[in-house]
Amino acid sequence: GAGVSQSPSNKVTEKGKDVELRCDPISGHTALYWYRQSLGQGLEFLIYFQGNSAPDKSGLPSDRFSAERTGGSVSTLTIQRTQQEDSAVYLCASSSPSGGTTGELFFGEGSRLTVL
Amino acid sequence: AQSVTQLGSHVSVSEGALVLLRCNYSSSVPPYLFWYVQYPNQGLQLLLKYTTGATLVKGINGFEAEFKKSETSFHLTKPSAHMSDAAEYFCAVSDRSTGGFKTIFGAGTRLFVKA
Repeated sequence: GAGVSQSPSNKVTEKGKDVELRCDPISGHTALYWYRQSLGQGLEFLIYFQGNSAPDKSGLPSDRFSAERTGGSVSTLTIQRTQQEDSAVYLCASSSPSGGTTGELFFGEGSRLTVL
Repeated sequence: AQSVTQLGSHVSVSEGALVLLRCNYSSSVPPYLFWYVQYPNQGLQLLLKYTTGATLVKGINGFEAEFKKSETSFHLTKPSAHMSDAAEYFCAVSDRSTGGFKTIFGAGTRLFVKA
């Protein structure tokens, strides 16, 4: 597709359930980011994939959160045993290859997660 | 480690007045600096960026920002606010890491424009 695609756009789940959020980046973009946007909290960095390098997981808030990126393209963010404080909009972004570029991010529309 | 501080979670201006949104950053290497805007019910989009060269950069919709290394600042300005500028604005910093760019965002500033 032309832009970053995220699914689902909305997800309502019960506390304790696992959820998976998907991100399909712009074709050819080697860098992929996940952020969490909560009311009044700005964009909280979660995880960053760059090519074949080991991902930077320094922003994941707990071991209930994990992410993978298959084939250098699609990424899945998994939240296990969801808690109410996990309710937020999860944003995915991608950027074009490094080397002469400036790291501009292209964002998807986000996945709004509500944990009841 | 990088960090970004945006002063003021909310800023309110009258239509036609100057817009000033403040951003200070911390980076261990020369940074790339960005402002992104999020209009109501829309995704984030790039407003402007500083990479190298001229320290005053111009973006879309009449916005501009000046990189001041001595003050570690990258404040966003617009001479005359328009109602359509009402949105949330995010300052971001990135530097090279593992061959790419790790980007950290500030908490955001919501701009209100009064008629």
